[in-house]
Amino acid sequence: DSGVTQTPKHLITATGQRVTLRCSPRSGDLSVYWYQQSLDQGLQFLIQYYNGEERAKGNILERFSAQQFPDLHSELNLSSLELGDSALYFCASSETSGLDTQYFGPGTRLTVL
Amino acid sequence: GENVEQHPSTLSVQEGDSAVIKCTYSDSASNYFPWYKQELGKRPQLIIDIRSNVGEKKDQRIAVTLNKTAKHFSLHITETQPEDSAVYFCAASRTGGGNKLTFGTGTQLKVEL
Repeated sequence: DSGVTQTPKHLITATGQRVTLRCSPRSGDLSVYWYQQSLDQGLQFLIQYYNGEERAKGNILERFSAQQFPDLHSELNLSSLELGDSALYFCASSETSGLDTQYFGPGTRLTVL
Repeated sequence: GENVEQHPSTLSVQEGDSAVIKCTYSDSASNYFPWYKQELGKRPQLIIDIRSNVGEKKDQRIAVTLNKTAKHFSLHITETQPEDSAVYFCAASRTGGGNKLTFGTGTQLKVEL
C-alpha cells in the first residue's frame, strides 16, 4: 500500500457523460500527478499540481480538467466522454514539486460504453 | 518533448538467469531516471532510480546503469525469481517545470521455472 488512495475503483459510464475521479495523496506529500494508462498509449502524464497550483502539464485533452484542493486532495474531471477515454487513471504523489519519488495509487478503471 | 524508447517489449528468462531491459531517451537535459514494476492489475511501484550525476546504482539483485553520452540507461536483474514476472517501465524527467515522467512502452518479463 503506497498511502495514495483513489476513488472509485471502477467507473462505467456512457459516451457524452462527465465523471470525476478523486485522489488523496500520502500524508505530507504536496504534489499530485495524474496519469492515463491505456493499451495503445501506455502510461501518459496528464498534469501535476503542487500545493494547489498547476505545476506541469502533459498532453491533457481540453475535455479534461483537474484541481487540487486546500486539503491537498485532487480531482480529475473528464467530460464529453468518448470510447477512447476508456483507460486506467492513476494518481501519484510526491513530497515536493521536484524530482522526488512518485508513489502511485491503485488507479480508477474507467469504461466508456 | 522527451521521447523514451524501451526494448525489448517481451522478455522470457529461466529462473536464476539475468534479465536486461534497455531504454534510450531523446532530451539531453533529462536527469532523473526511475524504473517501475507493475504487476497485473496493480499500481506501478518504484524499484530503483538513478540521477545523471552517477553512472550506476545497485540495490541487491537490481542495478541500473546510465550512459549520458549515448542517452541510454538499462535495468539489470540478476538471479531472477518467478516473483520478478511483471511489466517493467523506464521513465525520464528533468529539473525545472515540475516532475513530468515520460514513460517507455514497457517490457513484459516472464521468469520461467
